[in-house]
Amino acid sequence: DSGVTQTPKHLITATGQRVTLRCSPRSGDLSVYWYQQSLDQGLQFLIQYYNGEERAKGNILERFSAQQFPDLHSELNLSSLELGDSALYFCASSTRGGTGELFFGEGSRLTVL
Amino acid sequence: AQSVTQLDSHVSVSEGTPVLLRCNYSSSYSPSLFWYVQHPNKGLQLLLKYTSAATLVKGINGFEAEFKKSETSFHLTKPSAHMSDAAEYFCVVSVTGFQKLVFGTGTRLLVSP
Repeated sequence: DSGVTQTPKHLITATGQRVTLRCSPRSGDLSVYWYQQSLDQGLQFLIQYYNGEERAKGNILERFSAQQFPDLHSELNLSSLELGDSALYFCASSTRGGTGELFFGEGSRLTVL
Repeated sequence: AQSVTQLDSHVSVSEGTPVLLRCNYSSSYSPSLFWYVQHPNKGLQLLLKYTSAATLVKGINGFEAEFKKSETSFHLTKPSAHMSDAAEYFCVVSVTGFQKLVFGTGTRLLVSP
C-alpha cells in the first residue's frame, strides 16, 4: 500500500459527459502528480501541483483541469469526454525535497462509451 | 530533450533464470534514472534509482541496474527470476527534477514455471 488513495477505482460514462477523479496523497506529501496511461500513448504526465499551486504541466488537454485543495487532496476534472479519453488515470505524490521517488495510487479506470 | 527507449516490449524467461530488461536513455545533461514496476491492476512502484552516485544500483526484490554513460544504457537485471516478478517494467528519466519524469513504453516480463 503506497498510501495514495484514488477514487473511484472504476468509472463508466458516456461521450460528452464530465467526471471528477479524486486523489488523496500520502500523509505529509505536498506534491501531487496526475498521469494518464493508455494502450496507444503509454504513460503520459498530465500535471503537477505543489502545496496548492500548479508546478508543471505536461500533455494535458484543455478539456481537462485539475486543482489541489488546502487539505492537499487533488481532483482531476475531465469534461466533454471522448472515446479516446478511456484510460487509467494515476495520481502520485512525493515529499518535498525528495529523491525523485513517486508514490502511485492504484489508479482510476475510466471507460467512455 | 530527455527520453528513454526500452528495447523489448516483451521478455519471457523461465523461473530461476536471469532477467535482463534493456533501457537506453538520451539526455543532454547528467540524468537521474529510475526503474518502476507495475503489477496487474496495481499502481507503479519504484524498484531502484540512479542519481549520479554509484553506477551499480541495487533495488528491491533482488533487482539491480548499472548506469553506463559510454553506452547511454541503464539495463535492469536479476540473477534468478521468480514467478512474482511477472509485471510491466518502466524505465524512467528525469533531468529537471522528478516533476517531469519521462516514462519508457514499458517491458512486460513473463515468467514461466
